[in-house]
Amino acid sequence: AQTVTQSQPEMSVQEAETVTLSCTYDTSESNYYLFWYKQPPSRQMILVIRQEAYKQQNATENRFSVNFQKAAKSFSLKISDSQLGDTAMYFCAFMLQGAQKLVFGQGTRLTINP
Amino acid sequence: DAGVIQSPRHEVTEMGQEVTLRCKPISGHNSLFWYRQTMMRGLELLIYFNNNVPIDDSGMPEDRFSAKMPNASFSTLKIQPSEPRDSAVYFCASSFFGGFAGELFFGEGSRLTVL
Repeated sequence: AQTVTQSQPEMSVQEAETVTLSCTYDTSESNYYLFWYKQPPSRQMILVIRQEAYKQQNATENRFSVNFQKAAKSFSLKISDSQLGDTAMYFCAFMLQGAQKLVFGQGTRLTINP
Repeated sequence: DAGVIQSPRHEVTEMGQEVTLRCKPISGHNSLFWYRQTMMRGLELLIYFNNNVPIDDSGMPEDRFSAKMPNASFSTLKIQPSEPRDSAVYFCASSFFGGFAGELFFGEGSRLTVL
Protein backbone atom coordinates (compact mmCIF):
# COMPACT_ATOMS: atom_id res chain seq x y z
CA ALA A 1 0.00 0.00 0.00
CA GLN A 2 1.09 3.53 -0.70
CA THR A 3 1.72 5.93 2.16
CA VAL A 4 2.34 9.66 2.28
CA THR A 5 4.14 11.36 5.15
CA GLN A 6 4.27 15.03 5.99
CA SER A 7 6.66 15.54 8.85
CA GLN A 8 5.84 19.19 9.59
CA PRO A 9 2.51 19.52 11.39
CA GLU A 10 2.77 23.31 11.51
CA MET A 11 4.82 26.08 9.94
CA SER A 12 4.76 29.82 10.23
CA VAL A 13 6.53 32.48 8.15
CA GLN A 14 6.33 36.19 7.51
CA GLU A 15 4.58 37.59 4.50
CA ALA A 16 6.79 37.77 1.38
CA GLU A 17 9.13 35.05 2.65
CA THR A 18 9.71 31.76 0.91
CA VAL A 19 8.57 28.58 2.61
CA THR A 20 9.11 24.92 1.78
CA LEU A 21 6.77 22.15 2.87
CA SER A 22 8.10 18.59 2.97
CA CYS A 23 6.51 15.37 1.81
CA THR A 24 7.79 11.84 1.43
CA TYR A 25 5.94 8.85 0.06
CA ASP A 26 6.38 5.16 -0.20
CA THR A 27 5.51 3.04 -3.22
CA SER A 28 6.95 0.18 -5.20
CA GLU A 29 5.30 1.41 -8.39
CA SER A 30 7.01 3.48 -11.09
CA ASN A 31 4.11 5.31 -12.66
CA TYR A 32 2.16 7.67 -10.48
CA TYR A 33 1.19 11.26 -9.83
CA LEU A 34 1.87 13.53 -6.90
CA PHE A 35 -0.18 16.51 -5.81
CA TRP A 36 -0.37 19.35 -3.37
CA TYR A 37 -3.82 20.38 -2.25
CA LYS A 38 -4.65 23.47 -0.21
CA GLN A 39 -7.42 23.61 2.38
CA PRO A 40 -8.14 27.18 3.53
CA PRO A 41 -10.27 27.91 6.61
CA SER A 42 -13.35 27.67 4.40
CA ARG A 43 -12.57 23.92 4.30
CA GLN A 44 -12.85 23.53 0.52
CA MET A 45 -9.85 21.64 -0.85
CA ILE A 46 -8.20 23.12 -3.93
CA LEU A 47 -5.58 21.56 -6.19
CA VAL A 48 -2.39 23.63 -6.13
CA ILE A 49 0.03 21.69 -8.29
CA ARG A 50 0.53 18.30 -9.90
CA GLN A 51 3.63 16.29 -10.88
CA GLU A 52 3.80 13.26 -13.13
CA ALA A 53 6.42 10.78 -11.93
CA TYR A 54 7.75 10.18 -15.44
CA LYS A 55 8.64 13.84 -15.84
CA GLN A 56 12.02 14.91 -14.53
CA GLN A 57 11.19 18.58 -14.80
CA ASN A 58 9.70 20.03 -11.65
CA ALA A 59 6.21 21.46 -11.97
CA THR A 60 5.59 25.15 -11.36
CA GLU A 61 2.42 27.21 -11.03
CA ASN A 62 3.15 30.88 -10.57
CA ARG A 63 4.55 31.25 -7.02
CA PHE A 64 4.26 27.53 -6.34
CA SER A 65 6.90 25.03 -7.38
CA VAL A 66 7.90 21.54 -6.39
CA ASN A 67 11.16 19.72 -5.86
CA PHE A 68 10.53 16.17 -7.01
CA GLN A 69 13.23 13.66 -6.10
CA LYS A 70 11.99 10.31 -7.40
CA ALA A 71 14.84 8.18 -6.08
CA ALA A 72 14.46 9.66 -2.64
CA LYS A 73 10.65 9.54 -2.89
CA SER A 74 10.49 13.15 -1.86
CA PHE A 75 8.08 15.81 -3.09
CA SER A 76 8.39 19.23 -1.45
CA LEU A 77 6.36 22.36 -2.17
CA LYS A 78 7.99 25.77 -2.32
CA ILE A 79 5.87 28.89 -1.99
CA SER A 80 7.68 32.04 -3.04
CA ASP A 81 6.71 35.56 -2.01
CA SER A 82 4.15 34.15 0.44
CA GLN A 83 0.88 36.00 0.86
CA LEU A 84 -1.66 36.15 3.67
CA GLY A 85 -4.06 34.21 1.46
CA ASP A 86 -1.66 31.28 1.44
CA THR A 87 -2.60 30.57 5.05
CA ALA A 88 -4.14 27.09 4.95
CA MET A 89 -3.62 23.40 5.52
CA TYR A 90 -1.55 21.86 2.76
CA PHE A 91 -1.91 18.21 1.87
CA CYS A 92 0.48 16.13 -0.17
CA ALA A 93 -1.26 13.36 -2.11
CA PHE A 94 -0.34 10.35 -4.23
CA MET A 95 -2.19 8.52 -6.98
CA LEU A 96 -1.17 5.56 -9.07
CA GLN A 97 -1.36 6.10 -12.81
CA GLY A 98 -4.62 4.70 -14.13
CA ALA A 99 -6.19 4.71 -10.68
CA GLN A 100 -8.51 7.23 -9.13
CA LYS A 101 -7.76 6.83 -5.46
CA LEU A 102 -5.91 9.77 -3.90
CA VAL A 103 -3.89 8.94 -0.79
CA PHE A 104 -3.33 12.00 1.37
CA GLY A 105 -0.70 12.87 3.94
CA GLN A 106 -1.63 14.21 7.35
CA GLY A 107 -1.23 17.80 6.29
CA THR A 108 0.87 20.82 7.26
CA ARG A 109 -0.80 23.87 8.77
CA LEU A 110 0.86 26.93 7.24
CA THR A 111 0.37 30.38 8.71
CA ILE A 112 1.54 33.50 6.91
CA ASN A 113 2.02 36.37 9.34
CA PRO A 114 1.71 40.04 8.32
CA ASP B 1 -20.41 27.35 -12.92
CA ALA B 2 -21.55 25.91 -9.61
CA GLY B 3 -19.08 23.76 -7.72
CA VAL B 4 -19.76 20.63 -5.73
CA ILE B 5 -22.64 21.30 -3.39
CA GLN B 6 -22.97 19.51 -0.09
CA SER B 7 -25.68 19.64 2.52
CA PRO B 8 -26.01 20.09 5.37
CA ARG B 9 -22.95 22.16 6.25
CA HIS B 10 -23.31 21.26 9.89
CA GLU B 11 -25.22 18.47 11.56
CA VAL B 12 -25.49 17.76 15.25
CA THR B 13 -27.28 14.61 16.23
CA GLU B 14 -27.55 12.14 19.05
CA MET B 15 -26.07 8.70 19.10
CA GLY B 16 -28.33 6.17 17.45
CA GLN B 17 -29.94 8.60 15.04
CA GLU B 18 -29.82 8.25 11.29
CA VAL B 19 -27.73 10.79 9.39
CA THR B 20 -27.96 11.50 5.67
CA LEU B 21 -25.40 13.66 3.90
CA ARG B 22 -26.07 14.89 0.40
CA CYS B 23 -23.93 15.84 -2.54
CA LYS B 24 -24.50 17.37 -5.94
CA PRO B 25 -21.44 16.96 -8.17
CA ILE B 26 -20.34 19.32 -10.90
CA SER B 27 -22.40 18.86 -14.02
CA GLY B 28 -20.57 16.74 -16.58
CA HIS B 29 -18.33 15.00 -14.07
CA ASN B 30 -18.59 11.23 -14.10
CA SER B 31 -16.74 10.32 -10.90
CA LEU B 32 -17.79 11.04 -7.35
CA PHE B 33 -15.86 10.50 -4.14
CA TRP B 34 -16.76 10.55 -0.45
CA TYR B 35 -13.93 11.38 1.97
CA ARG B 36 -13.91 11.65 5.73
CA GLN B 37 -11.55 13.97 7.60
CA THR B 38 -10.64 13.59 11.26
CA MET B 39 -7.75 14.86 13.33
CA MET B 40 -6.62 11.34 14.16
CA ARG B 41 -6.90 9.69 10.75
CA GLY B 42 -6.64 12.60 8.35
CA LEU B 43 -8.41 12.32 4.99
CA GLU B 44 -9.75 8.88 4.19
CA LEU B 45 -11.48 7.77 1.03
CA LEU B 46 -14.72 6.02 1.93
CA ILE B 47 -16.14 5.16 -1.47
CA TYR B 48 -16.13 6.34 -5.06
CA PHE B 49 -18.42 5.98 -8.04
CA ASN B 50 -17.84 6.03 -11.78
CA ASN B 51 -20.89 6.71 -13.93
CA ASN B 52 -23.10 6.23 -10.85
CA VAL B 53 -21.67 2.75 -10.15
CA PRO B 54 -19.75 2.12 -6.91
CA ILE B 55 -16.22 1.09 -7.82
CA ASP B 56 -14.39 0.86 -4.50
CA ASP B 57 -16.10 0.89 -1.12
CA SER B 58 -13.23 -0.66 0.81
CA GLY B 59 -12.92 2.49 2.90
CA MET B 60 -16.43 2.32 4.27
CA PRO B 61 -15.91 1.70 7.99
CA GLU B 62 -18.70 -0.77 8.61
CA ASP B 63 -22.21 -1.76 7.72
CA ARG B 64 -23.61 1.29 9.43
CA PHE B 65 -22.36 3.33 6.46
CA SER B 66 -23.98 3.22 3.05
CA ALA B 67 -23.71 5.38 -0.05
CA LYS B 68 -25.87 5.68 -3.11
CA MET B 69 -25.76 7.52 -6.38
CA PRO B 70 -29.17 7.18 -8.02
CA ASN B 71 -28.27 9.52 -10.88
CA ALA B 72 -25.41 11.60 -12.20
CA SER B 73 -26.38 14.67 -10.22
CA PHE B 74 -26.98 13.33 -6.74
CA SER B 75 -25.36 11.14 -4.10
CA THR B 76 -26.04 10.38 -0.47
CA LEU B 77 -23.96 9.02 2.38
CA LYS B 78 -26.02 7.53 5.17
CA ILE B 79 -24.97 6.52 8.65
CA GLN B 80 -27.39 4.41 10.66
CA PRO B 81 -27.17 4.23 13.59
CA SER B 82 -24.70 7.02 14.19
CA GLU B 83 -22.04 6.84 16.91
CA PRO B 84 -19.83 9.51 18.52
CA ARG B 85 -16.78 8.15 16.70
CA ASP B 86 -18.45 9.07 13.41
CA SER B 87 -17.95 12.74 14.24
CA ALA B 88 -15.89 14.19 11.39
CA VAL B 89 -16.03 16.39 8.34
CA TYR B 90 -17.35 14.50 5.34
CA PHE B 91 -16.30 15.73 1.93
CA CYS B 92 -17.77 14.98 -1.43
CA ALA B 93 -15.62 15.50 -4.52
CA SER B 94 -16.19 15.02 -8.21
CA SER B 95 -14.00 14.74 -11.27
CA PHE B 96 -14.05 13.80 -14.91
CA PHE B 97 -12.53 10.36 -15.23
CA GLY B 98 -10.35 10.44 -18.31
CA GLY B 99 -9.56 14.09 -17.85
CA PHE B 100 -6.84 15.77 -15.81
CA ALA B 101 -5.71 12.94 -13.53
CA GLY B 102 -6.14 13.61 -9.85
CA GLU B 103 -7.93 16.91 -10.20
CA LEU B 104 -10.76 16.50 -7.76
CA PHE B 105 -13.20 19.30 -7.08
CA PHE B 106 -14.26 19.28 -3.47
CA GLY B 107 -17.34 20.58 -1.77
CA GLU B 108 -17.14 22.58 1.42
CA GLY B 109 -17.81 19.53 3.54
CA SER B 110 -20.44 18.51 6.06
CA ARG B 111 -19.33 18.72 9.67
CA LEU B 112 -21.03 15.96 11.65
CA THR B 113 -21.14 15.91 15.42
CA VAL B 114 -22.65 12.89 17.12
CA LEU B 115 -23.32 13.38 20.81
